[in-house]
Amino acid sequence: DTGVSQNPRHKITKRGQNVTFRCDPISEHNRLYWYRQTLGQGPEFLTYFQNEAQLEKSRLLSDRFSAERPKGSFSTLEIQRTEQGDSAMYLCASSPGGLGYTFGSGTRLTVV
Amino acid sequence: DQQVKQNSPSLSVQEGRISILNCDYTNSMFDYFLWYKKYPAEGPTFLISISSIKDKNEDGRFTVFLNKSAKHLSLHIVPSQPGDSAVYFCAAARWHNFNKFYFGSGTKLNVKP
Repeated sequence: DTGVSQNPRHKITKRGQNVTFRCDPISEHNRLYWYRQTLGQGPEFLTYFQNEAQLEKSRLLSDRFSAERPKGSFSTLEIQRTEQGDSAMYLCASSPGGLGYTFGSGTRLTVV
Repeated sequence: DQQVKQNSPSLSVQEGRISILNCDYTNSMFDYFLWYKKYPAEGPTFLISISSIKDKNEDGRFTVFLNKSAKHLSLHIVPSQPGDSAVYFCAAARWHNFNKFYFGSGTKLNVKP
């Protein structure tokens, strides 16, 4: 097992375009998390899944953001009509439950 | 409103000396505290944690101290090594919801050889 994998590593997009990121968690982990980290700040919680169920969403997750985990394995995070303020590092993490997050290396989004 | 704060953006320490990284929190409902280390181009990795029923937890060169009355915790690294140079994030969680961590803004530690 190679840990939590995120693709792409970097994404540059024009304002107004839609983007989608993928996260492949550690295979035996049933919980998956998305965080966003902007420059000079710590990671901020966006949402989490237990298996395929999305159990909590942050107010940061506006209606332009949607996350899915259709079969309880990999997850996608889509941002529609991107804005410059969406530029950030998007981090995915997984855990078997309770404490013990393992983070991926993140997807860096730049909106120009 | 940031509930976990790291007021020192950076810290520089000589190799072999002690590094002390500080973290303050405002929410008295937090029950569990963690430190993560982050190297450039990598995700944060778990370093050490402490629950609110303890005031100290030690793991090798790393010790975390918790002062609940002051809502303050600190990470001590002794002795500091150049490989410890990274950004350190403090995080907090509540017992009833370990699925949501609140992170501080990080402290960049530079250990000089």
